[in-house]
Amino acid sequence: QQQVKQSPQSLIVQKGGISIINCAYENTAFDYFPWYQQFPGKGPALLIAIRPDVSEKKEGRFTISFNKSAKQFSLHIMDSQPGDSATYFCAAPEPNNDMRFGAGTRLTVKP
Amino acid sequence: DAGVTQSPTHLIKTRGQQVTLRCSPKSGHDTVSWYQQALGQGPQFIFQYYEEEERQRGNFPDRFSGHQFPNYSSELNVNALLLGDSALYLCASSPPRGLRGPDTQYFGPGTRLTVL
Repeated sequence: QQQVKQSPQSLIVQKGGISIINCAYENTAFDYFPWYQQFPGKGPALLIAIRPDVSEKKEGRFTISFNKSAKQFSLHIMDSQPGDSATYFCAAPEPNNDMRFGAGTRLTVKP
Repeated sequence: DAGVTQSPTHLIKTRGQQVTLRCSPKSGHDTVSWYQQALGQGPQFIFQYYEEEERQRGNFPDRFSGHQFPNYSSELNVNALLLGDSALYLCASSPPRGLRGPDTQYFGPGTRLTVL
């Protein structure tokens, strides 16, 4: 069953623009929401994560916004760069610390 | 620190064959999880090994089995390969549970398995 639903499937943004990727979750037991970045031929790498006791977390150009009542969280990439072109996955961990991943968003940043 | 390493990088098999994939966890980590990532999809949890035993399992058939060795390295075995088993197989390691924080799953580069 898909417990983490991610959109859009693909996204094209101009250099300097804002990239926004959304995720919705079903299991209210999730208490940690990471975003992973994956380049072709590589494994996923943790980008940024948030706990549900805060509504926003910012690290450099990357921001997570969290809406607990709507069971949604989103990734914002400010001043998007061509080097940000990758596939992004939202995820949430089961109690045994294994991740439930969204289907992924392929981001292309055009120069 | 080499991080999580996996071998081989690529593998081509035919239907019905068996395959073994290998993973060495990040230094200091004792838990290994395996994931299957089909093309264009997010990783799907297969199972997790801790203290040389399978502790958790996802929705995968018994054709998928594994092993963890005393040095914490792990193997994933898949028997009677099907075309649908073609995927990127990812290994992720985690530190001892007492030291575990939220960002503690480190992924390897994966093994690309193609079944013809």
